Order: sequence, then C-alpha cells, then structure tokens
Amino acid sequence: NAGVTQTPKFQVLKTGQSMTLQCAQDMNHNSMYWYRQDPGMGLRLIYYSASEGTTDKGEVPNGYNVSRLNKREFSLRLESAAPSQTSVYFCASIQDRGGTQYFGPGTRLLVL
Amino acid sequence: ILNVEQSPQSLHVQEGDSTNFTCSFPSSNFYALHWYRWETAKSPEALFVMTLNGDEKKKGRISATLNTKEGYSYLYIKGSQPEDSATYLCAFRPSGTYKYIFGTGTRLKVLA
Repeated sequence: NAGVTQTPKFQVLKTGQSMTLQCAQDMNHNSMYWYRQDPGMGLRLIYYSASEGTTDKGEVPNGYNVSRLNKREFSLRLESAAPSQTSVYFCASIQDRGGTQYFGPGTRLLVL
Repeated sequence: ILNVEQSPQSLHVQEGDSTNFTCSFPSSNFYALHWYRWETAKSPEALFVMTLNGDEKKKGRISATLNTKEGYSYLYIKGSQPEDSATYLCAFRPSGTYKYIFGTGTRLKVLA
C-alpha cells in the first residue's frame, strides 16, 4: 500500500516548456487535490476533483490544467511554464468528511 | 475570499514547556477543520479531524479543541519535546464544497 505517489520528484524547466505532474493513490479515495507550497504562503489549492469525472478550480488555477484519468490518478499540467510557477507541488487524496487528507511526497519544480 | 489565520507564525519553547497555537476561520458555513503536522522535507501528516462544535481530540501529548460558533480551534502540546519541532497547519473546509483552505502554519522549535 504505497498511499499517494507523485512523479517526478524534481524537475527543471525552461520558460515556455510544458510538463505533466503525475499523482496516483491506491486507497480508493474519492477526492483528490493539487496544492502548491511557496515560502510564507502555506498550501494553496490549485485544482481539485471531488470524484472521478469531475474537476474544479481552487484558489490559484491560472496556468494549470488537470485531468482525473480514473479514480486512482489525477494529473496536473503546465502548458507553458513561467518562473512564477517555481514551487513545490503536493498532491493529496481523501475518502470522505470524517477522513484526513493523505499527501504525496511532493514535486519540486524550478522554472528558469 | 475565505481567510484562515494561524498564530503565532513561529514559536520557540524550551523542552518540557507546554504550548498552544490558534487557528481562526470563518464562523459561518463550517464543515470540518483539520490539523496537520509538517516536518521539514516531508509531507504534511494528519493529526486531527474536527467536525462538531465543542469537539476535543487528543493524541498522546497533543490535543485540540474546536469552537465553530466563534471560529477558532486551539492546538495544545503538553511537555514539548525536540521531536515536536515542526510546522503545524490547520485547514478549514466550508460546507457545500470539497475545498480545503489552509492557514500559513505555526512553526514550532523546541529547544533541548
């Protein structure tokens, strides 16, 4: 039982390049989330998926797209990376109201 | 814009001291309040899920209380140990949404 996994762990991009961050969970959770963590800003929600087949914007969705491929996987895409997207990205999943969010190990992204 | 505030931002205590921090959230449309412990270079780990006004939860030396009518939750650590050093995050979920809004955290350093 791996919990929440994320790939890659670390990535360097040039401005304008695109990439997809992968997230998968093996806990049969319904809801999945993408956050970014910046110094002094805490965790900010980018997009979330309440259930398979649905996605919704969070606080800071601009410059990102997501796909809930199936119940297990929720990917985050940067179509044209910008230096402002340099951050640590965390994926999380949760079963229901009484449960807690389980976080992946994070992806550290540097955009030059 | 829903705001979740945590205080203090950072705190240094001596080993053996007891301490507490505050999480303030909107008092209307409450659904759940989570507490997480976040060590450097790791992912946030869940401490408590609180859903009812007056909830009190305890795990070892750490406990939390919830007041949804006035919009605050306290986290208490009794007899702090160096291994308690971490950032403590709270996350508020309003009713009618699957979103979680995180505070910026309280950074605790316990000095041996």
